[in-house]
Amino acid sequence: EAQVTQNPRYLITVTGKKLTVTCSQNMNHEYMSWYRQDPGLGLRQIYYSMNVEVTDKGDVPEGYKVSRKEKRNFPLILESPSPNQTSLYFCASSRGGGSYTFGSGTRLTVV
Amino acid sequence: GQQLNQSPQSMFIQEGEDVSMNCTSSSIFNTWLWYKQDPGEGPVLLIALYKAGELTSNGRLTAQFGITRKDSFLNISASIPSDVGIYFCAGPTGNQFYFGTGTSLTVIP
Repeated sequence: EAQVTQNPRYLITVTGKKLTVTCSQNMNHEYMSWYRQDPGLGLRQIYYSMNVEVTDKGDVPEGYKVSRKEKRNFPLILESPSPNQTSLYFCASSRGGGSYTFGSGTRLTVV
Repeated sequence: GQQLNQSPQSMFIQEGEDVSMNCTSSSIFNTWLWYKQDPGEGPVLLIALYKAGELTSNGRLTAQFGITRKDSFLNISASIPSDVGIYFCAGPTGNQFYFGTGTSLTVIP
């Protein structure tokens, strides 16, 4: 089944403790992206990647890092999480044209 | 970044009613897409529009790409309870991809 898999689905952590949210797709898509979703703000793009080793900042990249060492994986790294990064995070992939396939989301709480 | 404003922000309708929502941007888009997000899930693509003035249907859903290329509209006919969710417009600018603020739809049986 074609899908984007994110892990974990839920995560509660403390301020400053580094964490990684994994994302993997099995559709051989070149384009991958991370979004955060907050009430009233829709989905905002954090980082995106056009291909292996090609990444770029979205609208809200502060406090996040990404890497794209393999085509299928695009992890999101929070080096020092803060409470304002409490949010619902989505990974998505696309072959182009805006037809994204989304993961099921990761609900992160930073206390 | 780009701002896509959707209205209304939320809707409460009776089952069987038709629904209309729209999305506006301050700048031109060459592609408009509409997604639906069910509770607890990621958004799923409903309709894609690639040409100004284009009208496209997907079952009970009809979407239009505005002539000015700064807006798009989504209509749902004869709503049913499973239409509940958040509807997002979206579009690419360069290599970035933007989503609207969302319209939350509640269907009352």
